[in-house]
Amino acid sequence: KAGVTQTPRYLIKTRGQQVTLSCSPISGHRSVSWYQQTPGQGLQFLFEYFSETQRNKGNFPGRFSGRQFSNSRSEMNVSTLELGDSALYLCASSLVLDSRIYNEQFFGPGTRLTVL
Amino acid sequence: GQQVMQIPQYQHVQEGEDFTTYCNSSTTLSNIQWYKQRPGGHPVFLIQLVKSGEVKKQKRLTFQFGEAKKNSSLHITATQTTDVGTYFCAGTNSGGSNYKLTFGKGTLLTVNP
Repeated sequence: KAGVTQTPRYLIKTRGQQVTLSCSPISGHRSVSWYQQTPGQGLQFLFEYFSETQRNKGNFPGRFSGRQFSNSRSEMNVSTLELGDSALYLCASSLVLDSRIYNEQFFGPGTRLTVL
Repeated sequence: GQQVMQIPQYQHVQEGEDFTTYCNSSTTLSNIQWYKQRPGGHPVFLIQLVKSGEVKKQKRLTFQFGEAKKNSSLHITATQTTDVGTYFCAGTNSGGSNYKLTFGKGTLLTVNP
């Protein structure tokens, strides 16, 4: 079974631009979460989608948004990029078996975003 | 909001020595997960603990979940160079939304052969 894929793997943008990152989960996984990873802050939760609905959101400004399509693929968008947005953006998919338990996250390789 | 603290931030050991990383949550957790991220890689799931006082072993790795479900530990016996990486704990807040995992900042383990 193919793993989680993310595109693009690397991206260089300038301040003020916007960017869209894509994530394809493992087949059959309907939950997709996004994380920002930086050396100083570690892994920070951005948002989680299940069946095209955002179920939870982390403490990020409204410039960060996402969506999920009917095939469970997900995209996240960052508008008006700032230097501090430079990070590794990780997507993770999960098989939801029991809504009371957060299941194992399968991470993709990430998109390395550099904002100049 | 929920905070998950992890210590130590860094740990350097000689091959063959033991290693332990600790995770503490500001709130009671419904479950806790552990991940390993190799340098240049992405986090890979190791284990999930759900029950109070639970202990699970994977070869040289021992995972514990505290009785109060607010802390956890990962212990590696006789480290090997293949153990190098950053170990993260991640917990879900009990009673709150179950759709958010809060990660600790991780412990970077380096092993001197």
